[in-house]
Amino acid sequence: DQQVKQNSPSLSVQEGRISILNCDYTNSMFDYFLWYKKYPAEGPTFLISISSIKDKNEDGRFTVFLNKSAKHLSLHIVPSQPGDSAVYFCAAVTTSGTYKYIFGTGTRLKVLA
Amino acid sequence: DTGVSQDPRHKITKRGQNVTFRCDPISEHNRLYWYRQTLGQGPEFLTYFQNEAQLEKSRLLSDRFSAERPKGSFSTLEIQRTEQGDSAMYLCASSNRVVQETQYFGPGTRLLVL
Repeated sequence: DQQVKQNSPSLSVQEGRISILNCDYTNSMFDYFLWYKKYPAEGPTFLISISSIKDKNEDGRFTVFLNKSAKHLSLHIVPSQPGDSAVYFCAAVTTSGTYKYIFGTGTRLKVLA
Repeated sequence: DTGVSQDPRHKITKRGQNVTFRCDPISEHNRLYWYRQTLGQGPEFLTYFQNEAQLEKSRLLSDRFSAERPKGSFSTLEIQRTEQGDSAMYLCASSNRVVQETQYFGPGTRLLVL
């Protein structure tokens, strides 16, 4: 039972354009969501997060949107840069518990120069 | 701040051998997590420590797996009688008391069981 889904295994975007990565979840108990970026042979690096009491959070070029009714979140990267090429994972947490993450399967983003 | 470190970074072993991995969390982080990642999948939760207490174990953690965090600082993950299905990236993460929601990951230990 995949509680967090990233249905697009890969995405290619031209440098300077917007990258939109999507994530869907099924468990309504999740109340905190995060995006991590992962390069080959490295651990995931924290990018941005959002609490379920918000619908948007921005940090520089990165914005995360949360639609609770649709159980959907998305990560927007504007403008995209070649250095953004990596695998992006969304993770969901129930903060009343142990804070263990439930991850999606990842989306490989390739930003073309 | 040196971040989360893991040792070794790579381990190749023969089926049936025991292996042990070490994780050093960020200093003063009281929570420590172990995850496992296989090809094409996201990391999967294995176990969690708050200080030295192991508070949750995933059903993925068979009785061949054991984890410790004896003094509430570094942690070890041991796999006994390794099987080829244990081949994966083993990730350690830690978080602090203030921002418990954000975990910081180490570089991982890649295990290959032949």
